[in-house]
Amino acid sequence: DTAVSQTPKYLVTQMGNDKSIKCEQNLGHDTMYWYKQDSKKFLKIMFSYNNKELIINETVPNRFSPKSPDKAHLNLHINSLELGDSAVYFCASSPIAGLQSDTQYFGPGTRLTVL
Amino acid sequence: QKEVEQDPGPLSVPEGAIVSLNCTYSNSAFQYFMWYRQYSRKGPELLMYTYSSGNKEDGRFTAQVDKSSKYISLFIRDSQPSDSATYLCAMRKNTGFQKLVFGTGTRLLVSP
Repeated sequence: DTAVSQTPKYLVTQMGNDKSIKCEQNLGHDTMYWYKQDSKKFLKIMFSYNNKELIINETVPNRFSPKSPDKAHLNLHINSLELGDSAVYFCASSPIAGLQSDTQYFGPGTRLTVL
Repeated sequence: QKEVEQDPGPLSVPEGAIVSLNCTYSNSAFQYFMWYRQYSRKGPELLMYTYSSGNKEDGRFTAQVDKSSKYISLFIRDSQPSDSATYLCAMRKNTGFQKLVFGTGTRLLVSP
């Protein structure tokens, strides 16, 4: 049983296209996250939702729009894709953000390549 | 300068060696410190978690935090080839909805 799942696993697309990545967690967690990991393995948070409410919104171009239809799902839509958007995007979830432990469970990642 | 600095490696050691992985940070407000392990083409998984200063041991792994020096370490005893992965330190502040700030990761290679 996959705890945090993402689709698709790989995404190859042309510059200027619009694409979406989906994330689902079956852990019953309240909080979900999107991270971007660049080619140098640097993992940086983009967004966080707690019970469908946006709580962290880092300095991310507004071409990136997250959406949480319910607390088990967090999707990421990217408009007008650019070469620099090529990266691995990880979804994660944790029981409740702000708790002491805040253990985050990561999905397998979506490898996005923009040509 | 990044908030959290970590040597990217790679760090190559023979099987059975003791491995020391380290991170330094600049923000004294960080209170919670974690180590994540990431295998190639996989998501990070939590290895160790510590609060404030001190040591924590779990099997072959020991996490150390020295807040006065803003320095954290992960020691791996009796390293195994299966420990070959990238190790990411991460930390966060104490209150509210605080983001995790990650180091860039150190790639560890344990040869048989």
